[in-house]
Amino acid sequence: QKEVEQNSGPLSVPEGAIASLNCTYSDRGSQSFFWYRQYSGKSPELIMSIYSNGDKEDGRFTAQLNKASQYVSLLIRDSQPSDSATYLCAVTSGSARQLTFGSGTQLTVLP
Amino acid sequence: ETGVTQTPRHLVMGMTNKKSLKCEQHLGHNAMYWYKQSAKKPLELMFVYSLEERVENNSVPSRFSPECPNSSHLFLHLHTLQPEDSALYLCASSQAPSGRGETQYFGPGTRLLVL
Repeated sequence: QKEVEQNSGPLSVPEGAIASLNCTYSDRGSQSFFWYRQYSGKSPELIMSIYSNGDKEDGRFTAQLNKASQYVSLLIRDSQPSDSATYLCAVTSGSARQLTFGSGTQLTVLP
Repeated sequence: ETGVTQTPRHLVMGMTNKKSLKCEQHLGHNAMYWYKQSAKKPLELMFVYSLEERVENNSVPSRFSPECPNSSHLFLHLHTLQPEDSALYLCASSQAPSGRGETQYFGPGTRLLVL
């Protein structure tokens, strides 16, 4: 059973702080990793994708991947109340097209 | 409308009804997906359709039947559902192939309630 684990939260951070979201996965053969954001009542939208070990930055978001530790994280700098959402970690398993999702981490950014 | 659209957005049905969910993607993609999202559970991949493959999650009951007439349209036919099938059903599409996991773009979902 290929699994993706996330802390369910809720995670609360004050506005302007760094939010750190973590994800571990069980399939060592996984090649592609994604972070999606899902607002309440809405569908998931892609935040970041990462394929190689190391950091990938996009604006206030940084994804970090460590394949040896089977660990991927998302850092949100200068957190804003509008970042309050559930963040889903997703990992390819099997074919490149089959995503396995974690249960998500609920983030609340307090004004 | 752009992106991935789904109809209906909300559906209430009895256990003896037959209904269909529709998904249409306007992105020129060639792979489409159905996911189920239940409360407090991870998104669950139900079906994948692409030029290269059709993948079915073996745990999906036969009361769910997909149909993909072309690369832009995907249907999920529902019959004799159970109350535990109540969930948000999400359609997604992506552009294949890339050798890596392609970014999947999600539709707004259909909120299904089975009484």
